[in-house]
Amino acid sequence: NAGVTQTPKFQVLKTGQSMTLQCAQDMNHEYMSWYRQDPGMGLRLIHYSVGAGITDQGEVPNGYNVSRSTTEDFPLRLLSAAPSQTSVYFCASGSGGLVGEQYFGPGTRLTVT
Amino acid sequence: GNSVTQMEGPVTLSEEAFLTINCTYTATGYPSLFWYVQYPGEGLQLLLKATKADDKGSNKGFEATYRKETTSFHLEKGSVQVSDSAVYFCALTPGAAGNKLTFGGGTRVLVKP
Repeated sequence: NAGVTQTPKFQVLKTGQSMTLQCAQDMNHEYMSWYRQDPGMGLRLIHYSVGAGITDQGEVPNGYNVSRSTTEDFPLRLLSAAPSQTSVYFCASGSGGLVGEQYFGPGTRLTVT
Repeated sequence: GNSVTQMEGPVTLSEEAFLTINCTYTATGYPSLFWYVQYPGEGLQLLLKATKADDKGSNKGFEATYRKETTSFHLEKGSVQVSDSAVYFCALTPGAAGNKLTFGGGTRVLVKP
């Protein structure tokens, strides 16, 4: 099992550019989510999905879109990058039977200039 | 809403010292509580969890007890090693169902030989 994989590991964008962060898991987990990690603020939930075709907003959804066309993939799209979106982004997946036990990817470090 | 507060770091210790990281929470109902650990350059890993009052979670020599009366879930380890140097996050999910994690700000621990 590869677990949760994320690409790219690092990315630099200019203000206004768009891009997609990729996330995939091979554990057949129904639940997937995206978090951003900022210094001193822990991780904050951006969007999550409880299964293919179902997504919902988390705590900080503005400026981000998601879709879930398959169980395995959960891409995060930045529509028009802003410096405030400079952060480390983590994708996670979990099984509904293991409450709160989520498996995290290695992260994507994004810098917006 | 739900929130988690944990002590700010960094916490610097010598090898074999006793470690305590304080965590308190605010939540309605009966949340499940977690400690996640992030080693340098990696994603988060579940360290331990407790799903009801007075439960004790334990793993790798770390322990934490779910104290509903003080709304706390303090992490302890009796004798730390250099390999325990990491960032530790306290987190909760609301109730016995659901996977939406609310994280504290994280505590960086540095263990010196």
